[in-house]
Amino acid sequence: GENVEQHPSTLSVQEGDSAVIKCTYSDSASNYFPWYKQELGKGPQLIIDIRSNVGEKKDQRIAVTLNKTAKHFSLHITETQPEDSAVYFCAASMDNSGYALNFGKGTSLLVTP
Amino acid sequence: GAGVSQSPRYKVAKRGQDVALRCDPISGHVSLFWYQQALGQGPEFLTYFQNEAQLDKSGLPSDRFFAERPEGSVSTLKIQRTQQEDSAVYLCASSRGGELFFGEGSRLTVL
Repeated sequence: GENVEQHPSTLSVQEGDSAVIKCTYSDSASNYFPWYKQELGKGPQLIIDIRSNVGEKKDQRIAVTLNKTAKHFSLHITETQPEDSAVYFCAASMDNSGYALNFGKGTSLLVTP
Repeated sequence: GAGVSQSPRYKVAKRGQDVALRCDPISGHVSLFWYQQALGQGPEFLTYFQNEAQLDKSGLPSDRFFAERPEGSVSTLKIQRTQQEDSAVYLCASSRGGELFFGEGSRLTVL
């Protein structure tokens, strides 16, 4: 089955700096790659996603890049703010409806003022 | 409500007890998913419903786990004869075929 590796497991940045989280996946059939943000005591919330026919997608301060050849994708957050502090999960699926997502283990991001 | 609602939010069970966790999906969402999230880990897929049909239960860890969605709306995840390794947050998500919307989860602690 699909195996998603995520790193780093923890990341601390100063407010205003950029943060980058990287994930690799094993199954070349995967074609849907969402990123979720999970705050303490809450469920994961989709922040951005990318499908395999696109190499990059941007939404304000958040961007995701996908390299299908290398089977890796990354989340980029620019101009970080303290409210960006949370656990971020990448995921991969062979069904772009979001069915049976395989999640990474998460990255705990801390943005210090 | 506007979002996915799960109850109870917290459940403490003695080993061997049965538990039932409830999920109220967003109205009109035909797809419903259950995930298990152990402490410090990402969610792991348990099972998937489309309306009342359980299309995939490959992620259920043992036959002690059972899920149903009899009328295609509310779903219940039942765990029989709970074990300590069942301690986790159980997340429910619903979808109309695109983005998954997660509830806040039910945290189960088995003593």
